[in-house]
Amino acid sequence: QKEVEQNSGPLSVPEGAIASLNCTYSDRVSQSFFWYRQYSGKSPELIMSIYSNGDKEDGRFTAQLNKASQYVSLLIRDSQPSDSATYLCAVNPGLGGKLIFGQGTELSVKP
Amino acid sequence: DTEVTQTPKHLVMGMTNKKSLKCEQHMGHRAMYWYKQKAKKPPELMFVYSYEKLSINESVPSRFSPECPNSSLLNLHLHALQPEDSALYLCASSQAPDSLRQQYFGPGTRLTVT
Repeated sequence: QKEVEQNSGPLSVPEGAIASLNCTYSDRVSQSFFWYRQYSGKSPELIMSIYSNGDKEDGRFTAQLNKASQYVSLLIRDSQPSDSATYLCAVNPGLGGKLIFGQGTELSVKP
Repeated sequence: DTEVTQTPKHLVMGMTNKKSLKCEQHMGHRAMYWYKQKAKKPPELMFVYSYEKLSINESVPSRFSPECPNSSLLNLHLHALQPEDSALYLCASSQAPDSLRQQYFGPGTRLTVT
């Protein structure tokens, strides 16, 4: 069974702090990795995609991938209350388009 | 244009009703997906259409019937649903089913079965 695991949280950080979200996956052949943000009652919105080992930065967001350790993370710098949402880690194991989602981490940024 | 649209936004239906959910994308994507999402759970894949043909059915009950009339449209026909089918139904699309690129999600249809 291919799995993606995340800490369910909730993760609470003060405004302006760095939020660190972590995800591990079981299928070594997975090649693409995504972080989606989902506000309550809304649909998932892509925040970051990453395909190769290392860091990828986009504004306040940095995704980190370590395929040897089967680990992907998302750092949110200068966290804002508007970042409060559930963050879904998703992995594409190359199975005809299936995305394997983690359970999601609920992030709360306190003013 | 990276938009996937879904109609209706909200739907309330009785257990004997027949209704349909609609999804549309104009990004030239050749893979389209239906997901079901319950509260505080991740999206759960239901169906995958690849080049307008059903390629994956995740053992979904027959009261859910997908249809892909053309490369831009995806429907989900609903019949004799149960209250436990109440959920957010999400449509998504991607360039191709074997693409490693992201899936784009529509805003969803909030379905309530009474």
